[in-house]
Amino acid sequence: DGGITQSPKYLFRKEGQNVTLSCEQNLNHDAMYWYRQDPGQGLRLIYYSQIVNDFQKGDIAEGYSVSREKKESFPLTVTSAQKNPTAFYLCASSMIGGEPLHFGNGTRLTVT
Amino acid sequence: SQQGEEDPQALSIQEGENATMNCSYKTSINNLQWYRQNSGRGLVHLILIRSNEREKHSGRLRVTLDTSKKSSSLLITASRAADTASYFCATGSGNTPLVFGKGTRLSVIA
Repeated sequence: DGGITQSPKYLFRKEGQNVTLSCEQNLNHDAMYWYRQDPGQGLRLIYYSQIVNDFQKGDIAEGYSVSREKKESFPLTVTSAQKNPTAFYLCASSMIGGEPLHFGNGTRLTVT
Repeated sequence: SQQGEEDPQALSIQEGENATMNCSYKTSINNLQWYRQNSGRGLVHLILIRSNEREKHSGRLRVTLDTSKKSSSLLITASRAADTASYFCATGSGNTPLVFGKGTRLSVIA
């Protein structure tokens, strides 16, 4: 079965620690995305990548970093510089930009 | 930047009734998509309508697009309790990432 896997489902960290969220897809999609969702809000784009070894900042990239060393994987690091990191993080992929997205089931990060 | 704006923010209906959600956007688009999100889960793509299309159907879903008014509507007919979810519109323009609205929370009461 093709799909996107995000892990872990829940993540708890202390303030000041960096944390990496995993996202893996086996859909052979070129484009991958990270969105952040806060309660009752829409999705805001953090970073996206349309090809291996290349990525672009989204609307709220400050305090986050990504890598795209393999087509299947697009990990997101939430750094200690992110002022308000507690949120629901969603990874998605698509064949190309603008086409329908396939989403993972998200990682809920809580930083205390 | 949030391009799409859904209306209403929340909608509560009885099972069997129709549910209509609207989406307005600001700039020109290539396509407009609707997604559903169940609580605590990822989004699921429902339907895509291209800028040269006016109406599209998929099962109990009907989507319209009016590019002159920069608006779209999603109609769910004969709603079921399982349709309870948040619904988001997203606009696509060229090869750039989709831009999502804030969503409509639909509650279908059995």
